[in-house]
Amino acid sequence: SAVISQKPSRDICQRGTSLTIQCQVDSQVTMMFWYRQQPGQSLTLIATANQGSEATYESGFVIDKFPISRPNLTFSTLTVSNMSPEDSSIYLCSVELGGRYEQYFGPGTRLTVT
Amino acid sequence: QKEVEQDPGPLSVPEGAIVSLNCTYSNSAFQYFMWYRQYSRKGPELLMYTYSSGNKEDGRFTAQVDKSSKYISLFIRDSQPSDSATYLCAMSALGNYGQNFVFGPGTRLSVLP
Repeated sequence: SAVISQKPSRDICQRGTSLTIQCQVDSQVTMMFWYRQQPGQSLTLIATANQGSEATYESGFVIDKFPISRPNLTFSTLTVSNMSPEDSSIYLCSVELGGRYEQYFGPGTRLTVT
Repeated sequence: QKEVEQDPGPLSVPEGAIVSLNCTYSNSAFQYFMWYRQYSRKGPELLMYTYSSGNKEDGRFTAQVDKSSKYISLFIRDSQPSDSATYLCAMSALGNYGQNFVFGPGTRLSVLP
């Protein structure tokens, strides 16, 4: 398994500002993922981040709104830009170990936009 | 129709009961089937995964996949208050860049002492 930490654990932000969420893993991993989980909703994949290449975004998510960095094999950041109340959600990073069916999640960042 | 549907819950059972959690799906290309447990204010934790149809048992947990019916289940025997959590089914299919995951919305389970 992997130990994954996220910072911040929660934040309350004003409309129009940006927040950068950090994800740190205790081992080197190739694939890292960023998800959004809204209350009562499924986990929705935002993007896949491979070290050394551009992140791959899912339909409905764009780089200008959710820029991602992946500077090394243990760290990634997700920025939520120009926030609106609709961005209020839990943001989760996960990593893939072994096969793609084995994902481990961080504790999440609870974001509230006012 | 959503790609993955899950019994909405919430589900409340007495301690010791057998719990059945279920998901249906529409994409016949799904190959791997997983169950995650998510405690309040925590990230999802992988409980079990199976490949293709059949049963897989791990302690008090049994995962069952029926690909012909596009139906998966998680059974919890002798349920405990510590099993109280939200359970998410997930499944994956091979896409252009590797496996693509889809998660169900989750079923909240409460096991009452």
